[in-house]
Amino acid sequence: GQQLNQSPQSMFIQEGEDVSMNCTSSSIFNTWLWYKQDPGEGPVLLIALYKAGELTSNGRLTAQFGITRKDSFLNISASIPSDVGIYFCAGLTGTASKLTFGTGTRLQVTL
Amino acid sequence: SQTIHQWPATLVQPVGSPLSLECTVEGTSNPNLYWYRQAAGRGLQLLFYSVGIGQISSEVPQNLSASRPQDRQFILSSKKLLLSDSGFYLCAWSVGTGFEAFFGQGTRLTVV
Repeated sequence: GQQLNQSPQSMFIQEGEDVSMNCTSSSIFNTWLWYKQDPGEGPVLLIALYKAGELTSNGRLTAQFGITRKDSFLNISASIPSDVGIYFCAGLTGTASKLTFGTGTRLQVTL
Repeated sequence: SQTIHQWPATLVQPVGSPLSLECTVEGTSNPNLYWYRQAAGRGLQLLFYSVGIGQISSEVPQNLSASRPQDRQFILSSKKLLLSDSGFYLCAWSVGTGFEAFFGQGTRLTVV
């Protein structure tokens, strides 16, 4: 089946630093999504990417859909304490309505 | 606007007892509905998805079943829970194909 490899697994950064995480796949996806999950909550959609090469921003977040359609990255600029959580990438193919999730990146922000 | 409701938020059940988790969506018609499970500190695993009433696709063999008795209602069930059924269960919905999914708040199930 399809697998998404997400890295890094965890990050400890200082407030104000920029963060970068990425997701790679052995298969092509038509849509890439990035979610953030707080403890005990459901994942919340951050950014959706629909086109190869697309670069999309949402406030301090920027994500790109790789040209090969097999990868995506998420950047967070000037991190703040509320950025703490687990970030998941997810891929979607056009022929199915189901998401394949990455393994997650746990982000910790220190003051 | 669309909203998704999932309940209960937490549940502690003994081994061998039945299970019923319910999920409903408001503000949309004919959504795709999903049940995911998340083990502690792990990613999300798709259990079931449904593209319409009575249409259920199972992704992994397991001790659980799903049903969709109404367009915007999705139920996750088990006749006899196992310890390994413990986890965080998430319901989600989407519309069409190739579009983003939105999640409920989740149910923390502990089987004792």
